[in-house]
Amino acid sequence: DAGVIQSPRHEVTEMGQEVTLRCKPISGHDYLFWYRQTMMRGLELLIYFNNNVPIDDSGMPEDRFSAKMPNASFSTLKIQPSEPRDSAVYFCASSPPRKSGTSDGYTFGSGTRLTVV
Amino acid sequence: QKEVEQNSGPLSVPEGAIASLNCTYSDRGSQSFFWYRQYSGKSPELIMSIYSNGDKEDGRFTAQLNKASQYVSLLIRDSQPSDSATYLCAVQGHTGGFKTIFGAGTRLFVKA
Repeated sequence: DAGVIQSPRHEVTEMGQEVTLRCKPISGHDYLFWYRQTMMRGLELLIYFNNNVPIDDSGMPEDRFSAKMPNASFSTLKIQPSEPRDSAVYFCASSPPRKSGTSDGYTFGSGTRLTVV
Repeated sequence: QKEVEQNSGPLSVPEGAIASLNCTYSDRGSQSFFWYRQYSGKSPELIMSIYSNGDKEDGRFTAQLNKASQYVSLLIRDSQPSDSATYLCAVQGHTGGFKTIFGAGTRLFVKA
């Protein structure tokens, strides 16, 4: 199993540009999560999907952020236009189907380090 | 009040000692509790999960849960320098659709 695969690993872009982050979850996992990590705010949940359907996007900072999951093996997080305060590490994580209301925890991808200059 | 609170540390212990990491949470309906380890520059890695009150042991790690006190802890026995990392407490609530909230993490240093 290749784990959760994210691309790119690093992204440096200029303010105002569009940024697209990509994620391939573990096969068979039906939950996918996008988190952002900064020193100041720690790990923040942005949005999560269940069976490709967005369930909770209350953590998405503003309309500049959007996420899609067109199929079970692919998700994108897009920032348009990007701003310097968006600089962070963005993690994608996936989780298997839940049993009896509990969770097995997440497997995280390696993350994308985004720098907006 | 933060939903999941941890002492940021750093916590420094000598090699071979027991490291004790603590976490409190605010949602009484929480059902699943996790500890993740994150090395500098790496992604979080799940090391323990616990769902019922009491202790759960896995090798050198013991997770403890007290739902009445809304308290979770992680004990690391025979600490090794390779245990030096940030430990994140994570709580999955019943409300909010099972999303998991992470604490800010406790930095642990194990001195050789």
